[in-house]
Amino acid sequence: KAGVTQTPRYLIKTRGQQVTLSCSPISGHRSVSWYQQTPGQGLQFLFEYFSETQRNKGNFPGRFSGRQFSNSRSEMNVSTLELGDSALYLCASSSPSGGAHYDIEQFFGPGTRLTVL
Amino acid sequence: EDQVTQSPEALRLQEGESSSLNCSYTVSGLRGLFWYRQDPGKGPEFLFTLYSAGEEKEKERLKATLTKKESFLHITAPKPEDSATYLCAVGHQNSGNTPLVFGKGTRLSVIA
Repeated sequence: KAGVTQTPRYLIKTRGQQVTLSCSPISGHRSVSWYQQTPGQGLQFLFEYFSETQRNKGNFPGRFSGRQFSNSRSEMNVSTLELGDSALYLCASSSPSGGAHYDIEQFFGPGTRLTVL
Repeated sequence: EDQVTQSPEALRLQEGESSSLNCSYTVSGLRGLFWYRQDPGKGPEFLFTLYSAGEEKEKERLKATLTKKESFLHITAPKPEDSATYLCAVGHQNSGNTPLVFGKGTRLSVIA
């Protein structure tokens, strides 16, 4: 079974630009979460989508947005990039197989390394 | 507010030298505690989920245990390929697919 895939793997942008990152979850998974990872802050939750609806949102400014498509693929967008947005952006998907714990285990993709110059 | 603290920040072991990593947590209603392994430049790799105090899980040289306040990841006779950052995370009980709260990790180096 293929894992979570993210594209592109690396991006270099300049301040003020915008960027779109893509995530394809494990086949059959309907929940997709996005995290930002930096050396200083570690992994921080951005938002989570389930069945095309944003179900949870972290404490990030409105420049960070996302969406999910009917096939569960998800994109996140960052507008007006700042130097501090340089980070590894990770996508994780969750199993929908039912039961009390079915949606709690999250499986991560390889990440997109964004560098803002 | 849910919090996860991992110690030590970094650990250097000789090959074969067993040790433990600690994850202390505060959460109002634990839905699950998770261990991940992360290699440089890669996404976290899922290792274990622990749901209740007293639970233990093993995988090769790794064994995870859980109490009401902390979890330990025991590494028995480590090998250089066990070198990685080990991340601990908790899920909160009171929401749906709750976002995980992560600790900052323990960076493990195993020297041959």
